[in-house]
Amino acid sequence: KAGVTQTPRYLIKTRGQQVTLSCSPISGHRSVSWYQQTPGQGLQFLFEYFSETQRNKGNFPGRFSGRQFSNSRSEMNVSTLELGDSALYLCATGRGNTEAFFGQGTRLTVV
Amino acid sequence: AQTVTQSQPEMSVQEAETVTLSCTYDTSESDYYLFWYKQPPSRQMILVIRQEAYKQQNATENRFSVNFQKAAKSFSLKISDSQLGDAAMYFCAYRSLNYGGSQGNLIFGKGTKLSVKP
Repeated sequence: KAGVTQTPRYLIKTRGQQVTLSCSPISGHRSVSWYQQTPGQGLQFLFEYFSETQRNKGNFPGRFSGRQFSNSRSEMNVSTLELGDSALYLCATGRGNTEAFFGQGTRLTVV
Repeated sequence: AQTVTQSQPEMSVQEAETVTLSCTYDTSESDYYLFWYKQPPSRQMILVIRQEAYKQQNATENRFSVNFQKAAKSFSLKISDSQLGDAAMYFCAYRSLNYGGSQGNLIFGKGTKLSVKP
């Protein structure tokens, strides 16, 4: 059974650019959540998508957005990148009240 | 709002010995889930153990067990017979009950970095 797949694994972008990250869930998982991990702030929830609808949202500016497709794959987009957006972005997928399974993350560096 | 606190930024244990990582949380909910996740240098978050708040029995998974004290809002992780591969960041996490299939968000502590000495 394939795990959660995040692409790309590493990304370097320039301030002001935008970026799109992708997450393919484990088969059968319809809930996809995104987290930002930084040394200073730790792990912070960005948003959750379920059945192509955003169900929960963390405290991040509108530059952070996402979407989910009918096959449950999800993308998150960050526009007008800032240096502070440099982080590890983790995707977690699951089903109902079971545990969440994480991908290996995308390491984003903004220069 | 719920919060999770891990008061030990770093811990060290000798191989084959036992170590306990602490976690406290704050919530007004009566039903919820608690988790311990391990994050090795590869950065992949791996579930170690989970506990449902309505279950009084402490969860165990092989060498890993928890001491869940609901009234005290405490959820510590005990690792027995520590192995070199146990070296990692350990995160305690809280999640509310959700219905309808969505999972809701995990609220994480700041983590405890565990070193294992040979």
